[in-house]
Amino acid sequence: QQQVKQSPQSLIVQKGGISIINCAYENTAFDYFPWYQQFPGKGPALLIAIRPDVSEKKEGRFTISFNKSAKQFSLHIMDSQPGDSATYFCAASSGRKLIWGLGTSLAVNP
Amino acid sequence: NAGVMQNPRHLVRRRGQEARLRCSPMKGHSHVYWYRQLPEEGLKFMVYLQKENIIDESGMPKERFSAEFPKEGPSILRIQQVVRGDSAAYFCASSPPGYYGYTFGSGTRLTVV
Repeated sequence: QQQVKQSPQSLIVQKGGISIINCAYENTAFDYFPWYQQFPGKGPALLIAIRPDVSEKKEGRFTISFNKSAKQFSLHIMDSQPGDSATYFCAASSGRKLIWGLGTSLAVNP
Repeated sequence: NAGVMQNPRHLVRRRGQEARLRCSPMKGHSHVYWYRQLPEEGLKFMVYLQKENIIDESGMPKERFSAEFPKEGPSILRIQQVVRGDSAAYFCASSPPGYYGYTFGSGTRLTVV
């Protein structure tokens, strides 16, 4: 049972374009929604996170949009760069245990 | 601050041997988490520890797996009598009290042959 569903599985974007990754969750008790970036051979690194009392959060080129009624949240990467090519994971938690999506492999073409 | 240190980076064990994975959290972090990542999958929670205490081990297999975070020294994830299905990347993360944002180590890649 996948409590956090992530799509798409893979994404190809041209340099300068917008990358959009979506996640949906089931458990209404979740109260913390982070996005992580992972490069090959490395551990995940926290990119940005949001709480359900906020509908949008922006940090640099990265924006989380959160829709509590639809139980969905998304990551937008503006002006995507080749260096953004990585695997992106959404996650959700209530408490300290994170439940992860299966990841999106993003490739940004130069 | 050296970040979360995991060692070894790569570990090869034969079926039936024991694997010991070590994790030193960031300075000032008293919470440690272990996650397992299988190829093409997201991370799966295994265990959450504070110094000398296991807080949540709901993701740990009932047999062969154990974890500790002693008063002194690193956190240890121990897998006894390894099987091929244990082959995965094991990630440790740490966080300070009162903060949900983890910092992950680079992982230990366990291969069981």
